[in-house]
Amino acid sequence: GQQLNQSPQSMFIQEGEDVSMNCTSSSIFNTWLWYKQDPGEGPVLLIALYKAGELTSNGRLTAQFGITRKDSFLNISASIPSDVGIYFCAGGILGSSNTGKLIFGQGTTLQVKP
Amino acid sequence: DAGVIQSPRHEVTEMGQEVTLRCKPISGHDYLFWYRQTMMRGLELLIYFNNNVPIDDSGMPEDRFSAKMPNASFSTLKIQPSEPRDSAVYFCASSSLFKGGTEAFFGQGTRLTVV
Repeated sequence: GQQLNQSPQSMFIQEGEDVSMNCTSSSIFNTWLWYKQDPGEGPVLLIALYKAGELTSNGRLTAQFGITRKDSFLNISASIPSDVGIYFCAGGILGSSNTGKLIFGQGTTLQVKP
Repeated sequence: DAGVIQSPRHEVTEMGQEVTLRCKPISGHDYLFWYRQTMMRGLELLIYFNNNVPIDDSGMPEDRFSAKMPNASFSTLKIQPSEPRDSAVYFCASSSLFKGGTEAFFGQGTRLTVV
């Protein structure tokens, strides 16, 4: 079945540093989403991407939909302690019998040292 | 909107007992999803519904698991009989057809412990 490989698995950085994480797939998706999960909570949607090559920002977060449609990247600039959490990528297919279905990556655990 | 509402937040039960998890999706959303999250397997899609109809239940691990959506504002996930390996956090999520059903909004989850 479809699988997403998300890397790195975990990161421990200093406050103020920039962060990059990515997600790759052997299959093509026509939508990519990035979520953040805080401890004891459900994942919260950060950014949604719908077009190959699309670059979208949400505050200090920037995500890109890869040209090949098989990858996506998330960057966080000038990290702060509240960025701590688990970041998930998710891929989906629109306009198919699986419309609505999302495949999730394994997550990137981010820790920020003040 | 209150968001996706799940109950209970925590459930501790003995092996062999029946467990029912409940979900109220966001009003107007067409899709409803049940996910299970564990350290070993991450976020797994168990089943999802479109307009109250189950579309894909290939993620349901065994016949002990069943899900229903009797109307647009309510869904249940039932485990009978429960086993210790069912211990996990179970999430319900909903989304709207307007965005192709992909921007899923999650509830806070139900942490299930089977002893």
